[in-house]
Amino acid sequence: AQTVTQSQPEMSVQEAETVTLSCTYDTSESDYYLFWYKQPPSRQMILVIRQEAYKQQNATENRFSVNFQKAAKSFSLKISDSQLGDAAMYFCAYRGDNYGQNFVFGPGTRLSVLP
Amino acid sequence: SQTIHQWPATLVQPVGSPLSLECTVEGTSNPNLYWYRQAAGRGLQLLFYSVGIGQISSEVPQNLSASRPQDRQFILSSKKLLLSDSGFYLCAWAGTVSPLHFGNGTRLTVT
Repeated sequence: AQTVTQSQPEMSVQEAETVTLSCTYDTSESDYYLFWYKQPPSRQMILVIRQEAYKQQNATENRFSVNFQKAAKSFSLKISDSQLGDAAMYFCAYRGDNYGQNFVFGPGTRLSVLP
Repeated sequence: SQTIHQWPATLVQPVGSPLSLECTVEGTSNPNLYWYRQAAGRGLQLLFYSVGIGQISSEVPQNLSASRPQDRQFILSSKKLLLSDSGFYLCAWAGTVSPLHFGNGTRLTVT
């Protein structure tokens, strides 16, 4: 079974600085999808960024980018120019390539942004 | 575009009372549908998922059940709530290769 690990329960960053959240996963599949979700205090789950495993190029969405290392099974999220609104729980998630496949979530990292 | 509606947003129910949470999706057909539960400050626990009408997979044995009476409708139910059923419930949908798209959630307090 696939597993997703986020080894940093809590992180903090100074406003305007850069922070990297770690995520590793375990799978025997060759094709899959990876995601980062943000959950602010409102508890709404917001998709931040997605990565297809067959794509070598790292995904980027504005201030958010990933470092996808397929061989190492690593999928870290980098937040540049951190803003107060970035404070939230961040979840890394895995989806296999089979229709109906469950999503596997990591335990989350709580990010604080310091003014 | 696709949208997902989940209601109610907040619910306070006494122990032993029934539960019905509803979720509907618009703008897509034959989605995968999911119910998750989240304790305060914790991760997501998958409760049920469905790949089609009448097809329900349960991930965690408990006193909750789920039904999918229509293609884009997913209902979470209980005949008798327990204190341990309190939590934040999230409905979500996904397409064949899409990410999960979540509803706004229901905060359930069992008293």
